[in-house]
Amino acid sequence: DTAVSQTPKYLVTQMGNDKSIKCEQNLGHDTMYWYKQDSKKFLKIMFSYNNKELIINETVPNRFSPKSPDKAHLNLHINSLELGDSAVYFCASSQDRGVYEQYFGPGTRLTVT
Amino acid sequence: AQSVAQPEDQVNVAEGNPLTVKCTYSVSGNPYLFWYVQYPNRGLQFLLKYITGDNLVKGSYGFEAEFNKSQTSFHLKKPSALVSDSALYFCAVRDNTNAGKSTFGDGTTLTVKP
Repeated sequence: DTAVSQTPKYLVTQMGNDKSIKCEQNLGHDTMYWYKQDSKKFLKIMFSYNNKELIINETVPNRFSPKSPDKAHLNLHINSLELGDSAVYFCASSQDRGVYEQYFGPGTRLTVT
Repeated sequence: AQSVAQPEDQVNVAEGNPLTVKCTYSVSGNPYLFWYVQYPNRGLQFLLKYITGDNLVKGSYGFEAEFNKSQTSFHLKKPSALVSDSALYFCAVRDNTNAGKSTFGDGTTLTVKP
């Protein structure tokens, strides 16, 4: 069984388009995250939700909007895509905040042309 | 503000030799420290963590890490490296505030040669 799943795995789109990435976890965790990994493999947190409440909102363009319909799902919507948005986006979850390790999804490779 | 430094972009070891991947951190208060591994085209996988207690923590795949408060370090070690250990390793620190934000190091690529 896949613990943290993301769809789609690959996303190729043109500048200016709007796209969404979906994430689901079946671990019963309370906290979920979105990370961006750039071409140099640097990993940066973007957002975190705890029980559907936004708790971390890093300096991310407001073209990026997370949505958590329930605590098992955290989606990422991106408006007006730019070339610089090309990256791998990882969803993750943890039992709660603080001492708990994170479980990562397989990633979504977004390519903006 | 919290930060993590992984001073080596690349570590090369021969199979069977011991390996060390270095990590130093800066955080207010008590640190929660983690190591993750990333294989090509995969998500990160948790290896081990230090929260409190014994400074030597053991994790998956024979890895261990030693927490050193005075040197603010949390180096990852393995007594005998395997070719299959070749991957990208990330150290992370998490603050103990309500938000529990994690900051990751820039990663160290470990290459184990036969």
